Amino acid sequence: QQQVKQSPQSLIVQKGGISIINCAYENTAFDYFPWYQQFPGKGPALLIAIRPDVSEKKEGRFTISFNKSAKQFSLHIMDSQPGDSATYFCAAVGSAGNMLTFGGGTRLMVKP
Amino acid sequence: KAGVTQTPRYLIKTRGQQVTLSCSPISGHRSVSWYQQTPGQGLQFLFEYFSETQRNKGNFPGRFSGRQFSNSRSEMNVSTLELGDSALYLCASSRGSPAYGYTFGSGTRLTVV
Repeated sequence: QQQVKQSPQSLIVQKGGISIINCAYENTAFDYFPWYQQFPGKGPALLIAIRPDVSEKKEGRFTISFNKSAKQFSLHIMDSQPGDSATYFCAAVGSAGNMLTFGGGTRLMVKP
Repeated sequence: KAGVTQTPRYLIKTRGQQVTLSCSPISGHRSVSWYQQTPGQGLQFLFEYFSETQRNKGNFPGRFSGRQFSNSRSEMNVSTLELGDSALYLCASSRGSPAYGYTFGSGTRLTVV
């Protein structure tokens, strides 16, 4: 059972554009929602994270929007750059355990 | 500050063999988690250790096991390897609570032939 669904699977954006990746979850026990960025040959690196008591969090060009009632959250990358080309994973952690449940990943390509 | 170190980086094993992977967490981090990454199944949680005790376990067969030592270093073992075990195995360390975040190593690429 896939508890975190992520879309789209792949995304092509022009340099300077906005990249938007969406995730939806089912388990209401999730209470921590991080986003990870992974480059080829590397492990995932924490990008930004949010808790459900906050509707939006911004760090530089990266913003998480969170809709608790819809059980959805999204990552917005403003002014996308070729260096942002990577695979992005949303994830969720429940209060009952210290394990990350990952979405399926989005391969982002930013064209110069 | 040193990151999470995983060894070896690459490994080729024959079906039926067993393998041991190693992970050295960030100094001061007491929690070590293991994940399997494959193109088909994505990132899946294997297990988590905290202060030498397994706290959580994912939905993997008993052929997958792990342990953690008193210095927080962790090992993961897979016995009777199958072709489907070919994957990138990732280790993540944290201070013990999700609020502190997880730091991943670069992984061990295991190929079973």
